[in-house]
Amino acid sequence: KNQVEQSPQSLIILEGKNCTLQCNYTVSPFSNLRWYKQDTGRGPVSLTIMTFSENTKSNGRYTATLDADTKQSSLHITASQLSDSASYICVVIFTTSGTYKYIFGTGTRLKVLA
Amino acid sequence: GAGVSQTPSNKVTEKGKYVELRCDPISGHTALYWYRQSLGQGPEFLIYFQGTGAADDSGLPNDRFFAVRPEGSVSTLKIQRTERGDSAVYLCASSLGGLTEAFFGQGTRLTVV
Repeated sequence: KNQVEQSPQSLIILEGKNCTLQCNYTVSPFSNLRWYKQDTGRGPVSLTIMTFSENTKSNGRYTATLDADTKQSSLHITASQLSDSASYICVVIFTTSGTYKYIFGTGTRLKVLA
Repeated sequence: GAGVSQTPSNKVTEKGKYVELRCDPISGHTALYWYRQSLGQGPEFLIYFQGTGAADDSGLPNDRFFAVRPEGSVSTLKIQRTERGDSAVYLCASSLGGLTEAFFGQGTRLTVV
């Protein structure tokens, strides 16, 4: 079954600290993996997009890694800010019958405290 | 438009009623997706349009749910005989197709009482 699991389910850190969020997937055939940030009451916004051949991708203070062999990805947030408080969702895209399907993880809810 | 627009932003309806949720995608985007997100969960796929046709509707939970995109732009998600379990945020996304980035609207929060 195609699944995307994320950990931890929730996380609280102090402003300025770093954190790492994990994503494990069993989706096949894999096309690419994305991390989205979803603020409360808003739609998800893409942070990074990674293909099978990419190991790391950065977007400002966000750095995503991908190990396609172990089917794991991580999102590292550096020098966290209060505005980083949101849900972070790992999404794996695969192809089936000529169409692309997005499989969403349940997300990690991050709270950054002053 | 500048982004994906969904209306209404909130909808409260009585059990058994019919509702329509509207999605205005980004101009020129041929692919349009509908997702449903329950509290504390990630979005779940409902249906995907490429142009006017539903390329994949395997996520629709039952025949009470139906979606159209008659002119390949605006899409309407229709729910008949609503049930309390239909309460969720319904998200719409659009893209240029393929593996291009999908942009999400802010969703419609549906509450069935």
